Amino acid sequence: RKEVEQDPGPFNVPEGATVAFNCTYSNSASQSFFWYRQDCRKEPKLLMSVYSSGNEDGRFTAQLNRASQYISLLIRDSKLSDSATYLCVVNNNDMRFGAGTRLTVKP
Amino acid sequence: DAGVIQSPRHEVTEMGQEVTLRCKPISGHNSLFWYRQTMMRGLELLIYFNNNVPIDDSGMPEDRFSAKMPNASFSTLKIQPSEPRDSAVYFCASSFRAAKFTDTQYFGPGTRLTVL
Repeated sequence: RKEVEQDPGPFNVPEGATVAFNCTYSNSASQSFFWYRQDCRKEPKLLMSVYSSGNEDGRFTAQLNRASQYISLLIRDSKLSDSATYLCVVNNNDMRFGAGTRLTVKP
Repeated sequence: DAGVIQSPRHEVTEMGQEVTLRCKPISGHNSLFWYRQTMMRGLELLIYFNNNVPIDDSGMPEDRFSAKMPNASFSTLKIQPSEPRDSAVYFCASSFRAAKFTDTQYFGPGTRLTVL
């Protein structure tokens, strides 16, 4: 079993839609969690950290469920510019990246 | 302020040749990471340094790969001899690591390596 698992997608949604990604992790001792965004042929960039209490940044909401060992990312009112691959990252003394979920937002 | 700088951006070489990838981390950062990304395996951590010291190289695929960090502003990843299966995008990232491994990593633009 992979340490960090994500549905690869692709998710194809219309502008304005709400879309959610989940990510599961295997190491219950994992300490911190992140979502990174990677555009085509570009480097990954931090989108947001994920806190136990859940956190929101504009149209983006991240949540952590330690009991079930998954994290989620919700994007509301999706924009064309949200089209990218979203990488789930789990840290337990080193950073483990999921394979990414590809999102395409269409007009 | 300059981000992480990597060179070359693209490298095409023939099997058996030595390849050297270079990275300059963000000034003031004390941790540096080398990753490899392929379609099949995603993003894999190869090695990371803290204060110029290699901490974990368990991700280095085999002895053909080596990495050095002679000072706080420079690191190299060397593949000798290179093989076609080494073809990938190699990213360098840096962060300021405090007590825990929770700090944001900033990635360089990557080196796209093709081994023929």
